[in-house]
Amino acid sequence: AQRVTQPEKLLSVFKGAPVELKCNYSYSGSPELFWYVQYSRQRLQLLLRHISRESIKGFTADLNKGETSFHLKKPFAQEEDSAMYYCALKGRSNTGKLIFGQGTTLQVKP
Amino acid sequence: DTGVSQNPRHKITKRGQNVTFRCDPISEHNRLYWYRQTLGQGPEFLTYFQNEAQLEKSRLLSDRFSAERPKGSFSTLEIQRTEQGDSAMYLCASSPTSGGASGANVLTFGAGSRLTVL
Repeated sequence: AQRVTQPEKLLSVFKGAPVELKCNYSYSGSPELFWYVQYSRQRLQLLLRHISRESIKGFTADLNKGETSFHLKKPFAQEEDSAMYYCALKGRSNTGKLIFGQGTTLQVKP
Repeated sequence: DTGVSQNPRHKITKRGQNVTFRCDPISEHNRLYWYRQTLGQGPEFLTYFQNEAQLEKSRLLSDRFSAERPKGSFSTLEIQRTEQGDSAMYLCASSPTSGGASGANVLTFGAGSRLTVL
């Protein structure tokens, strides 16, 4: 089965602290993974995708096939990072359909 | 083109009524998706269009749900005989067929249409 699990519903950190949002997936084969973010009162938008290997707003995510994980990390959290974060997996079909996790709310306190 | 547009943004209806949502995707995007999101959950896939062809439907899409994309541009999602369990945010997304910085698997989402069934 293709599945994405985000074990934490809420992650609360202080400004300047490191952040790690966990994502585990279930997929046989070579997965394509994404992180989407939804800021307050804004629409869901792409943050980063693993094949791009880029850092967006200081966030990075490394695909670990051995642990079937794609955790999102940032060394120093900022208040403006407070948002809902969704990990997503491209399904096996060639439609581009994404399978989303339940999401983690990141709260960065001043 | 200001992105994916959805209307109405909010709809309150009584149980048993029919509702229709409209999605206008990014004009050059061939692929269009409908998702449903309930409180505390991630978006759940409902259906997918490649141009005007509906190529995939989730088992979540009961017989009361129907989606169309008649000319391969805008799409509508109709829910007949609404039930309280249909209350959710209905999200539309679009993507290009292939390539580019915004690749085929990068979905651009609309703001959503929130349905409340009383």
